[in-house]
Parts: sequence; structure tokens; C-alpha cells
Amino acid sequence: SSELTQDPAVSVALGQTVRITCQGDGLRTYYASWYQQNPGQAPVLVVYGKDNRPSGIPDRFSGSSSGNTASLTITGAQAEDEADYYCNSRDSSGKQYVFGTGTKVTVL
Amino acid sequence: QVQLVQSGAEVKKPGASVKVSCKASGYTFTDYYMHWVRQAPGQGLEWMGWIHSNSGGTNYAQNFQGRVTMTRDTSISTAYMELSRLRSDDTALYYCARDYDANSDLDYWGQGTLVTVSS
Repeated sequence: SSELTQDPAVSVALGQTVRITCQGDGLRTYYASWYQQNPGQAPVLVVYGKDNRPSGIPDRFSGSSSGNTASLTITGAQAEDEADYYCNSRDSSGKQYVFGTGTKVTVL
Repeated sequence: QVQLVQSGAEVKKPGASVKVSCKASGYTFTDYYMHWVRQAPGQGLEWMGWIHSNSGGTNYAQNFQGRVTMTRDTSISTAYMELSRLRSDDTALYYCARDYDANSDLDYWGQGTLVTVSS
């Protein structure tokens, strides 16, 4: 399968923790990378590999993986974390790449 | 600082081709892959393929094979994506993004190029 499935939307209270999941067969073998996208802007890499953050990304963003599911956790969500989030990884063949369907995160 | 600067918006008729450029600066161009990703209005991200900036090797998404061609000119640190036989559903924002080791960890993105396909 070449699909990565995400919940369309999740909400989180300010300062609380939210987990965004991404399911796909390829995730049994390959790590996911995670991107934050604000309206009208290009995506920004927030987590990659086992649990790595690019320079400048707050440590409240973390990644994990188990079986066919990758997760992005925001611990202590801030108002500026309200955005669309996409996972990305290879499909089960390892040759093609695919983005998840996207999750809109609302911070209440 | 790393920058990826893309060419300007395009309007094309169905059946035509479009070629989008992505000029890199602030890093060694040939050390990285360049991916192309598109986003239709109000929709999610769609991976189109990558080109290895040194060897010129490519890997295209199955959905675009036969219609997409990715090239690069190392002398001017610029990558190109050409999409042919355009249809109305190719109307989208097209992004380039660099990747060090083909793990699709896209750490810098261009600003996007809007391609509109309309008769």
C-alpha cells in the first residue's frame, strides 16, 4: 500500500499534550518525517528520523514509531502550533515516497 | 543562509507543458537531492519525485511517470521540473525542497510556484 492515513482534525487545550498519528505499511520499515504548514506558507520540517528536530524547532515536538504507526507529539501545545501537520515516508516498496492525508490541529 | 528561490507563477492551457525552476544558494548544491512536491488548492501535499543533484539520477512518483521530467544545471545550482500534457487538475502550488540522503527529510523548501491550467 502507498497510503499514509492521518486523522483529519484534532484539538488540544492550550498547554496540554496532543498526539498526531500516521498509519501505513511502509512505516514498519521506514521512519516518518513530519511537517507543519501554516496557511499560505511552505511546509516546515519539525521532526525526522527516530526522533530528531532541526535547529530552531522547539523540544515540545517529538516523534515516535511502533509497528505501522508513526506519531508526532506536541507536549505543552502553544497557540502558534495551530496548523496543518503532514507525515511523509516511503511506501512498503521503499522506492516511492508518500505524504499523509494531513491533520489540522486546533489549539483551544 | 540556505535559500531555494523558485520561478514565477504560470498560466497554461490544457495539453501544454510547464517548466518550473528552483535556484539554490547557501550550500553545496551537488551534495543534496531535490524533491518536488505539489499542493492543489485546499488539498494536501503530493510527492512528485526527486533528482540527485550530482548524478542527475531521478525517481518519479508513479502517478507522474511519463509526464514529468526533472533536470538540473549544476553550473548555476538550479533544478527544474517539467510537467507535460497539463490538465485542469494539475492546477497547484509546486514546491522544490532539498534532502541530504533521500530519506525525504526535506529541511528547506522553496516559496512555491503557482501553476494554473485553464482554457
